[in-house]
Amino acid sequence: GAVVSQHPSRVICKSGTSVKIECRSLDFQATTMFWYRQFPKQSLMLMATSNEGSKATYEQGVEKDKFLINHASLTLSTLTVTSAHPEDSSFYICSASGTGNRPGNTIYFGEGSWLTVV
Amino acid sequence: GDSVTQMEGPVTLSEEAFLTINCTYTATGYPSLFWYVQYPGEGLQLLLKATKADDKGSNKGFEATYRKETTSFHLEKGSVQVSDSAVYFCALGAYNQGGKLIFGQGTELSVKP
Repeated sequence: GAVVSQHPSRVICKSGTSVKIECRSLDFQATTMFWYRQFPKQSLMLMATSNEGSKATYEQGVEKDKFLINHASLTLSTLTVTSAHPEDSSFYICSASGTGNRPGNTIYFGEGSWLTVV
Repeated sequence: GDSVTQMEGPVTLSEEAFLTINCTYTATGYPSLFWYVQYPGEGLQLLLKATKADDKGSNKGFEATYRKETTSFHLEKGSVQVSDSAVYFCALGAYNQGGKLIFGQGTELSVKP
């Protein structure tokens, strides 16, 4: 079964509202999680690295005030798209680098979340 | 900086044909290399990986060999099936960066019966 779960898998929101996407590691503690964005028929672009208990590290060009990342526990990271606009519509995927009973050098991906802003 | 380049798609093959999807990389140090597969409307699934030079990753009939001398990690399968139709991503990961991956642009494979 999935070891990293994302929720919701699909969400539609109105322009100007905020939407939160959750990424959970189901049976291991994820000290680090990563958030990627994928436009249709394109590759995945890393948005930010989320470290438990500290601020996220954003890639160049990613607006940290627009894409809020919180990694408050070892099993949960959240991505909040604030004041969403249609151009934020995309497929967002998280991944987790495990510790504990999962090898630290194995990376697990969530199922992804489709965001549509109307 | 580190980068991954894949052959452009779409690649269209008949069932049972031989598949090669080229992937080359640029990296400092000694990265690990991955192939991920994405079926329509779904997330990513790890297909195979190799962590050091000359390693061969294999899974579900797919193979790729980590070639340091040519900085390549080409994906091959001897006989493709319709169910292999998907987008394939080559990726590079440096574990001193804690699991951050750099992806190639993806190659769409379409297998016709």
